[in-house]
Amino acid sequence: DAGVIQSPRHEVTEMGQEVTLRCKPISGHNSLFWYRQTMMRGLELLIYFNNNVPIDDSGMPEDRFSAKMPNASFSTLKIQPSEPRDSAVYFCASSLAGGSPHTEAFFGQGTRLTVV
Amino acid sequence: GQQVMQIPQYQHVQEGEDFTTYCNSSTTLSNIQWYKQRPGGHPVFLIQLVKSGEVKKQKRLTFQFGEAKKNSSLHITATQTTDVGTYFCAGPWTGGFKTIFGAGTRLFVKA
Repeated sequence: DAGVIQSPRHEVTEMGQEVTLRCKPISGHNSLFWYRQTMMRGLELLIYFNNNVPIDDSGMPEDRFSAKMPNASFSTLKIQPSEPRDSAVYFCASSLAGGSPHTEAFFGQGTRLTVV
Repeated sequence: GQQVMQIPQYQHVQEGEDFTTYCNSSTTLSNIQWYKQRPGGHPVFLIQLVKSGEVKKQKRLTFQFGEAKKNSSLHITATQTTDVGTYFCAGPWTGGFKTIFGAGTRLFVKA
């Protein structure tokens, strides 16, 4: 398995533009997580899905952020409009939440977003 | 709300010295996980502890889960430059499937 695949790896955009980050989880995993990592705030959970359904989006900072998971093999995180303070590394992770819901999470390589 | 706290935030050691990072939860945990993130990389799962008082070893790394299942530690014996990175502990949120990560301890190893 190729692991969790994220694209793009790097994104530089101008303030006000729409940004879409993409994630392909590990096949067979039923939980997907979007994290944001900054020096100041560390690793923050933005939203997580279980069986393609958003379970908890309380970590989504503002209405400018939205996430979708149209099927088990694809998820997007969209920021519209983007702001400089959104600059961070965004990680997608997936896990298999079955009999034991807290199994290990596998992280993608991350998308480094810079908003100028 | 539920929190997972880690100390220290940073640790500088000379190669060959030992290193320990501590993790404390505001609630009792059913399990605790440890991850390592190399500079510029992504978090990678190291281990999961489940039982009260559990101790697990991976080569020079020793992981402990407290008797009350509210704290944990990671100890590295005789650090090497390859140990450089940030070590995170993570615990399950009591209300569901998500995982709460500590802020991490960043380890610097001087050769």
